[in-house]
Amino acid sequence: AQKVTQAQTEISVVEKEDVTLDCVYETRDTTYYLFWYKQPPSGELVFLIRRNSFDEQNEISGRYSWNFQKSTSSFNFTITASQVVDSAVYFCALSEAGGYSTLTFGKGTMLLVSP
Amino acid sequence: KAGVTQTPRYLIKTRGQQVTLSCSPISGHRSVSWYQQTPGQGLQFLFEYFSETQRNKGNFPGRFSGRQFSNSRSEMNVSTLELGDSALYLCASSLGTGDGETQYFGPGTRLLVL
Repeated sequence: AQKVTQAQTEISVVEKEDVTLDCVYETRDTTYYLFWYKQPPSGELVFLIRRNSFDEQNEISGRYSWNFQKSTSSFNFTITASQVVDSAVYFCALSEAGGYSTLTFGKGTMLLVSP
Repeated sequence: KAGVTQTPRYLIKTRGQQVTLSCSPISGHRSVSWYQQTPGQGLQFLFEYFSETQRNKGNFPGRFSGRQFSNSRSEMNVSTLELGDSALYLCASSLGTGDGETQYFGPGTRLLVL
């Protein structure tokens, strides 16, 4: 069965610091998909990125970057020069092939960015 | 395009009652999934509908049910409410035609059972 672990329950940083959110996953499938979502206090899950298991290229989008390493089953998320607006709960999720895109979520990491 | 909408946004019910939540997917999306979020259990998958058929189901009791209409709108129903059903219920939509599709979430319905 698939599993996603986000070991960091809560992280507190000061604005402009860089922060990395860890995600480790378990799956027996060779084809799978990884996601990151952001959940602000309003509650809605906001999609950030999708990666398939055959694409290990790291990705950068503005201040956000993702490091996918199959060798360690990790899909870490880094925010560079954090801002107060980055404060939210961040979820890593896994979807396996043949699962109709059903997501298995980690427990989430709450990021608090103070001014 | 309008996003996923959910109604109502907030609900207060008492134990033993039943509740119906509604979800309208993004236009063109035919798959609708439901998730329950609680502080203790986190985000858990309830079920997924595509073309009015339930394709996938999570590990929840039969008190939780759902359906999908021909316009892809979906409803979920919880009967005989228990205190533990208090949660944020999130609906997500996707095209539904392939694996690993990005799911787009609505704002959720916060249910409080007293």
